[in-house]
Amino acid sequence: GAVVSQHPSRVICKSGTSVKIECRSLDFQATTMFWYRQFPKQSLMLMATSNEGSKATYEQGVEKDKFLINHASLTLSTLTVTSAHPEDSSFYICSARAGGAENTEAFFGQGTRLTVV
Amino acid sequence: QQQVKQSPQSLIVQKGGISIINCAYENTAFDYFPWYQQFPGKGPALLIAIRPDVSEKKEGRFTISFNKSAKQFSLHIMDSQPGDSATYFCAARSGFQKLVFGTGTRLLVSP
Repeated sequence: GAVVSQHPSRVICKSGTSVKIECRSLDFQATTMFWYRQFPKQSLMLMATSNEGSKATYEQGVEKDKFLINHASLTLSTLTVTSAHPEDSSFYICSARAGGAENTEAFFGQGTRLTVV
Repeated sequence: QQQVKQSPQSLIVQKGGISIINCAYENTAFDYFPWYQQFPGKGPALLIAIRPDVSEKKEGRFTISFNKSAKQFSLHIMDSQPGDSATYFCAARSGFQKLVFGTGTRLLVSP
C-alpha cells in the first residue's frame, strides 16, 4: 500500500503552547486528508476532512480555532493544536486518500502521541 | 443510521484457532467495508476490504464474509497466531464519504 508519514510520533508540550503535527503522503498525491483523534481503548474519532487548497470541514463538536488544519499541497497536511491543555492529550492520526474513483483507499499515518503537561 | 456495531469487544483465542469478529450496519448506501488492524501506539493498517457485490473475500489467513440482506459482515482469522494480537476495527463507507468505524475488538491470541 501507499505510505503516509506522520511526524512527530511523540510530542510533549507545556500547557498553553501550540503543537504542529505533519502528515505527508510519500508516494501519491493526496486529494483528501483526514484527521482523527483516538482515546485509549476507543475507536477513531474523525475530527476534520480537508481537501487540497480548500478549508477543512470539521466534525460537530470539534473546535476549528483550536485545531487548525492546513492542506496546502497534495502531499502535506498539518494539524496545529493551539493553546494546548492537558485534556488535548491524545493519539492523533492522519489519513490520506488520492483523488479519482470512489473506491480509492485511504492510508493511515503512524499516529502522534501528544502529551500536554 | 451511520453507526457500525462491532462485537465482541474483546476476544481470546488459542494459537491455531479461528478468530471471528462481527459487524452490523444500517445504512444501505454503504458500499465499501474495510477491516483495519492496529497495534498499540501505531496507526491502523488496512487488512482486507470487501464490496457488497461479493459475499466472501479471502486473503491468506484473513477472510471477510458479507451478508448484504442481513447487513452484516465478519472477519475470520484462520490459524490465529500470537502476532495477530491487536485491535481490529471494521468500517464502512458510502462513495466519497467518510469512513464510519466500529468500536474495535481487542484480540489476544494465547501461545
